[in-house]
Amino acid sequence: KAGVTQTPRYLIKTRGQQVTLSCSPISGHRSVSWYQQTPGQGLQFLFEYFSETQRNKGNFPGRFSGRQFSNSRSEMNVSTLELGDSALYLCASSGASGVPGEQFFGPGTRLTVL
Amino acid sequence: KNEVEQSPQNLTAQEGEFITINCSYSVGISALHWLQQHPGGGIVSLFMLSSGKKKHGRLIATINIQEKHSSLHITASHPRDSAVYICAVALIKAAGNKLTFGGGTRVLVKP
Repeated sequence: KAGVTQTPRYLIKTRGQQVTLSCSPISGHRSVSWYQQTPGQGLQFLFEYFSETQRNKGNFPGRFSGRQFSNSRSEMNVSTLELGDSALYLCASSGASGVPGEQFFGPGTRLTVL
Repeated sequence: KNEVEQSPQNLTAQEGEFITINCSYSVGISALHWLQQHPGGGIVSLFMLSSGKKKHGRLIATINIQEKHSSLHITASHPRDSAVYICAVALIKAAGNKLTFGGGTRVLVKP
């Protein structure tokens, strides 16, 4: 089975721009979670989508949004980029529906905001 | 105070030594995960626990729900075990797969 894939792997943007990151989960997985990792804050939960619905949301401003398609692929969007948005963005998929399940992480997208 | 605390933050061991990483949490959880992150960023899930003990190869994870504490042990450590180990919990009050993370333990195993 192919693992979780994320595109692009690296991205450089300037302040004020917007960016869209993509995540393709393991085939059959319906849950996709997004995380931000920075040296200062560590790993933080952004949001989770399950069957095209946002099931959980972390404490991030409204500039961070996401969606999930019927094939379970997910995108996250960050609008009006700030320098502090520079981070590694990771997605993880899980096959579990209600209860917490093992999560399988993608390689991440490293975003640099100049 | 963080909901998930790990110790130590950094650990250096000689090849072959027994390594223990600790994770304490202050909230009700439905599951605890141990993750491994190598340089370059990729994260691998090592264990998901809700009770007791799990073993995979040279890795052992234990959890004590009453004491809100978990440990990850690496037996006969090897340089390839050098990585950051991260404890993460699924809060009982949160549905689905939302995880709250500890700060990580950076492990260096010298040959």
